[in-house]
Amino acid sequence: QKEVEQNSGPLSVPEGAIASLNCTYSDRGSQSFFWYRQYSGKSPELIMSIYSNGDKEDGRFTAQLNKASQYVSLLIRDSQPSDSATYLCAVILTGGGNKLTFGTGTQLKVEL
Amino acid sequence: SQTIHQWPATLVQPVGSPLSLECTVEGTSNPNLYWYRQAAGRGLQLLFYSVGIGQISSEVPQNLSASRPQDRQFILSSKKLLLSDSGFYLCAWSPGTAFGEQYFGPGTRLTVT
Repeated sequence: QKEVEQNSGPLSVPEGAIASLNCTYSDRGSQSFFWYRQYSGKSPELIMSIYSNGDKEDGRFTAQLNKASQYVSLLIRDSQPSDSATYLCAVILTGGGNKLTFGTGTQLKVEL
Repeated sequence: SQTIHQWPATLVQPVGSPLSLECTVEGTSNPNLYWYRQAAGRGLQLLFYSVGIGQISSEVPQNLSASRPQDRQFILSSKKLLLSDSGFYLCAWSPGTAFGEQYFGPGTRLTVT
């Protein structure tokens, strides 16, 4: 079992719809969770961090964390073509210090 | 505000040649620094990290090495490149707090021919 798992996609959604990206992790003791956006050929950009169970909203983005079920998700409301990118989930595993373990990413395509 | 620089942006090197990639961070002190590699279509692989000058931890044994000669400078090196070293090399920094967020530089795309 991979430590951080994501569906590789592509996930296609129409413009204006809600995109839902999911990530599961294997280490029950993990405490810090991050979502990065990576455009093709570019470096990852941190868009959300979440540390407590529940929802965290920032503009059109909402991160959801459920530690009991060991998943973290990212919702993108009113999806725009500019949201088309690969979204990487990252987790700090127990005993990992400040090292991030990344999933392989989900490719999102927002279609006109 | 903090800024992270990497150079060169792109590099084409023959097999067996040496490598030196540089990363510098501005606007912060005593950051944690990281080198990652992203092969085509693959995830991010942590290569090295450093919590201070001269302190380097290696995550994956290979023909690469890292050094941190100054607080905000991180260098990735190789004496002899392999074809498998091709990829997108990313430097990242973290403020070193318990929250762990990391911020990436623009990256260096290395092609070994």
